[in-house]
Amino acid sequence: GQQLNQSPQSMFIQEGEDVSMNCTSSSIFNTWLWYKQDPGEGPVLLIALYKAGELTSNGRLTAQFGITRKDSFLNISASIPSDVGIYFCAANNAGNMLTFGGGTRLMVKP
Amino acid sequence: EPEVTQTPSHQVTQMGQEVILRCVPISNHLYFYWYRQILGQKVEFLVSFYNNEISEKSEIFDDQFSVERPDGSNFTLKIRSTKLEDSAMYFCATGVLSRNEKLFFGSGTQLSVL
Repeated sequence: GQQLNQSPQSMFIQEGEDVSMNCTSSSIFNTWLWYKQDPGEGPVLLIALYKAGELTSNGRLTAQFGITRKDSFLNISASIPSDVGIYFCAANNAGNMLTFGGGTRLMVKP
Repeated sequence: EPEVTQTPSHQVTQMGQEVILRCVPISNHLYFYWYRQILGQKVEFLVSFYNNEISEKSEIFDDQFSVERPDGSNFTLKIRSTKLEDSAMYFCATGVLSRNEKLFFGSGTQLSVL
């Protein structure tokens, strides 16, 4: 089946640092999404990307849909303690099924 | 802000028992989904539901699983005879559009099968 390889698996950074994580696949996707999951909660959509090459920002978050349609990255600038959580990439083609990456656990040291 | 409500938040059951997980979607949403997340693993798609029928399901969603929207409000996931490997967090998600990126996830039901 289709798989998304997300890296890194975890990051431990200092408050104020920038963060970068990415997702790659051997399959082409039409939509890439980035979610954040806090402990005990469901995933919350951060950014949705619909076109190859698209670069979209949401506050301190910036994500890009790779030109090959097989990858995406998420950057967080000037991290703050509340950025702590697990970040998931997800992607889909036609149909309803979202495929999720394995997640990046972000820890921020004040 | 409207939210997807799931009950119970935790469910402990014996292997072989039936469980029903419940979800109250956001009121104007038409597309309903169940996902699950085994501890420490990725979120996995189970099933999508629209217009009172399943529109898509994954390999995980075998004959032991069923979904329904019996009263037009609750959206339920039933596991007929639970197995140890069914232990996971089950998330309901709903959306107003067929493009499921506009999904709102509930807080999940943690199912533990003993």
